[in-house]
Amino acid sequence: GAGVSQSPSNKVTEKGKDVELRCDPISGHTALYWYRQSLGQGLEFLIYFQGNSAPDKSGLPSDRFSAERTGGSVSTLTIQRTQQEDSAVYLCASSLQRGRLTEAFFGQGTRLTVV
Amino acid sequence: GESVGLHLPTLSVQEGDNSIINCAYSNSASDYFIWYKQESGKGPQFIIDIRSNMDKRQGQRVTVLLNKTVKHLSLQIAATQPGDSAVYFCAEMRSARQLTFGSGTQLTVLP
Repeated sequence: GAGVSQSPSNKVTEKGKDVELRCDPISGHTALYWYRQSLGQGLEFLIYFQGNSAPDKSGLPSDRFSAERTGGSVSTLTIQRTQQEDSAVYLCASSLQRGRLTEAFFGQGTRLTVV
Repeated sequence: GESVGLHLPTLSVQEGDNSIINCAYSNSASDYFIWYKQESGKGPQFIIDIRSNMDKRQGQRVTVLLNKTVKHLSLQIAATQPGDSAVYFCAEMRSARQLTFGSGTQLTVLP
């Protein structure tokens, strides 16, 4: 597609369940970022993928969070044993060139609600 | 600790007036700043950026000012329009992997 696509757009899950969030970046973009946005808050960095390099996972809040990027394209963010504090909008962005976040395009996000 | 924060959580302006959104940062080593606009239900969109070797940069109807002495930057929107209503975030980039965002300012344009 023309832009970054995220699915699902909304997800309601029960506490303790696992969830998977998907990001389809813009074709050809080698860099992919995940951010989390809590209600009324700024964007919290989670993880960054660049090409075939090892991802920067320094922003993941706990070991319940993991992400992978298959074939340098689609990325999946997995949250295991979800907690209520995981409720947030999860945003994915992709960019053509490493370090050029100004050229990054954001998806519309996945709104996760843990009940 | 390091932080990037905004002075005001909300700002209301009359249509046609100029808007000024402020942002303070605490990391004196910050050398690159970006303003994003986020409309309801959408992801952030890049507006304008500025590097620390500049103190002013202009775009279309927007100007960003950087004062490194007091670690403050501002976004000025000229002739504010209803379509400018959104949340505005300033962000500090220290590396490709560390874009730190402030909490955002909700701009509301009044008719």
